[in-house]
Amino acid sequence: EVQLVESGGGLVQPGGSLRLSCEASGFTFNTYAMSWVRQAPGKGLEWVSVISGSGDSAYVGDSVKGRFTISRDNSKKTVYLQMNSLRVEDTAVYYCAKTKYQLMLDAFDIWGQGTMVTVSS
Amino acid sequence: AIQMTQSPSSLSASLGDRVNITCRASQGIRNDLSWYQQRPGKAPKLLIYDATSLQRGVPSRFSGSGSGTDFTLTISSLQPEDFATYYCLEGYSTPRTFGQGTKVEIK
Repeated sequence: EVQLVESGGGLVQPGGSLRLSCEASGFTFNTYAMSWVRQAPGKGLEWVSVISGSGDSAYVGDSVKGRFTISRDNSKKTVYLQMNSLRVEDTAVYYCAKTKYQLMLDAFDIWGQGTMVTVSS
Repeated sequence: AIQMTQSPSSLSASLGDRVNITCRASQGIRNDLSWYQQRPGKAPKLLIYDATSLQRGVPSRFSGSGSGTDFTLTISSLQPEDFATYYCLEGYSTPRTFGQGTKVEIK
């Protein structure tokens, strides 16, 4: 079964850091780009970041640029989101998602269950 | 960044109704568009990719149309499980942009 399982969410103070993990199973992980998408409480979906299957290319959204970094360890079938200098407005459910084919701009055919990040003092 | 304008933001419909949801891109994006369904408390689910292709396992009452800047998701006959929020997502360039969402409610 193709599956993504996120972990690492929690409560953090403004200015703090968290690292989210997303462990994959059931597919050839190193051939697919992976993304992070977030959803603030009661709001819509926001694309956050993408990394290529090899890990050679990565992009982040403007709202997190300079603060968030995406990476992956293909030997562990895991993608990470390092979040620094967290702000209250980063509070959201964070989903990882697999691209349907292998390109970084493909549709997302598999999603994790999400992990909640709360930034509050 | 490409802007995606989705409409309506919400709609009320009855079982069996035909429903159309539209997304307009701020520039041409070929057919690089996908549609997702999200039920409360759940992760999004892929319905349509490449603007018109039905994802495996998705009922055929869902269909997508359009290319360039204007796209439509159609539900031909609304079923109880279709009451949810729907999002479009462009796949033309980074940063990627979702539409604002359309909440489909029971009339």
